[in-house]
Amino acid sequence: AIRMTQSPSSLSASTGDRVTITCRASQGISSYLAWYQQKPGKAPKLLIYAASTLQSGVPSRFSGSGSGTDFTLTISCLQSEDFATYYCQQYYSYPPTFGQGTKVEIK
Amino acid sequence: EVQLVESGGGLVQPGRSLRLSCTASGFTFGDYAMSWFRQAPGKGLEWVGFIRSKAYGGTTEYAASVKGRFTISRDDSKSIAYLQMNSLKTEDTAVYYCTRVSDGDPPDYWGQGTLVTVSS
Repeated sequence: AIRMTQSPSSLSASTGDRVTITCRASQGISSYLAWYQQKPGKAPKLLIYAASTLQSGVPSRFSGSGSGTDFTLTISCLQSEDFATYYCQQYYSYPPTFGQGTKVEIK
Repeated sequence: EVQLVESGGGLVQPGRSLRLSCTASGFTFGDYAMSWFRQAPGKGLEWVGFIRSKAYGGTTEYAASVKGRFTISRDDSKSIAYLQMNSLKTEDTAVYYCTRVSDGDPPDYWGQGTLVTVSS
């Protein structure tokens, strides 16, 4: 199975900050990379797919980039509702696998 | 509006069985694959398995951790996907989510999840 490694595991930030989360795949996955946001007690929400395509309804302050093995999720101007855990997921091959998550907390 | 509603979770003893249901609405269920994921308490996300649409043979794939114990099926006439879980282990304790999957894309809609607790 392809191993996905996110960094950092957690971060503290303030409203208005620019936040970047990285995700590395253990082998090349082209652009078959998705990002999800999960809030406590809720289901994950798809933010970005195909590494950089914003899912319908997701605010434009979220963006994704990368291909091959290295990817990033950027939140350009952190809002209060963005404090959550973020997961990357590869869907290049089965089994689909996730990073361990990055918890974005209030500083 | 697309909706996925899981049901059937609860407390079950190790070695016993449980069947989860995922009732879909707001889209043409038969046109989509359906995938199940789970999340153990305080842990990350894990893929459980997947069933293709009938157009792609309705075939299934499973994670190694559940293969031979779990079975996914679907009833397109009722817009329901099922996850039959046999020989349950304590490590199967998790919130189980069903998701809608388009060919070549990641899951775009998730249900609210249902908690399965395997304990004696």
